Amino acid sequence: GAVVSQHPSWVICKSGTSVKIECRSLDFQATTMFWYRQFPKQSLMLMATSNEGSKATYEQGVEKDKFLINHASLTLSTLTVTSAHPEDSSFYICSARDPIGSNYGYTFGSGTRLTVV
Amino acid sequence: AQTVTQSQPEMSVQEAETVTLSCTYDTSENNYYLFWYKQPPSRQMILVIRQEAYKQQNATENRFSVNFQKAAKSFSLKISDSQLGDTAMYFCAFMKHSVTSGTYKYIFGTGTRLKVLA
Repeated sequence: GAVVSQHPSWVICKSGTSVKIECRSLDFQATTMFWYRQFPKQSLMLMATSNEGSKATYEQGVEKDKFLINHASLTLSTLTVTSAHPEDSSFYICSARDPIGSNYGYTFGSGTRLTVV
Repeated sequence: AQTVTQSQPEMSVQEAETVTLSCTYDTSENNYYLFWYKQPPSRQMILVIRQEAYKQQNATENRFSVNFQKAAKSFSLKISDSQLGDTAMYFCAFMKHSVTSGTYKYIFGTGTRLKVLA
């Protein structure tokens, strides 16, 4: 079945630095990927829709200059948290849909736990 | 705006027993999709079951089944013969087409934490 790989699984960074998270579709091409944020014991909140070869679409309230998304190929989307602060500490999850696989069931990556100190 | 409500923050069930998780949603659309996802302590999101709104027949996947009431906008999940490995957070999700992004995207409920007791 469709597999989405997310890297790193966890990262600790200093306040003010930038962190890049990668999301790869391993056995299919994904023109669209999604980035979510999940706080402890809370639901997944969609941050943005990443489109291959074009600009990402951000949800209301998400700072596009802080959360940079690049979808340069059909198998890779990256999320860069710029000038990270402790309040950016969270669990970030990506997902993608295999257009040839099961209809409308998106596959999720295993997530990245970001801690900003 | 579409919303998804899970009114049970936490539930517990004895091993081998049956448990039902509730979910209601609000939408003015006629064609959409509903999902239940499981998130175990590993935080990996795992698809449990999917229902197309245009299908009247309730979806079933082994021990998991749904009770889909379209008019009532209700989509409950029944887990039969509960197993210890079913312990997880369960999210109900509604999928709709986004005009802004031109694709389908999820709206998740707040989740129900299920604990299966030995």
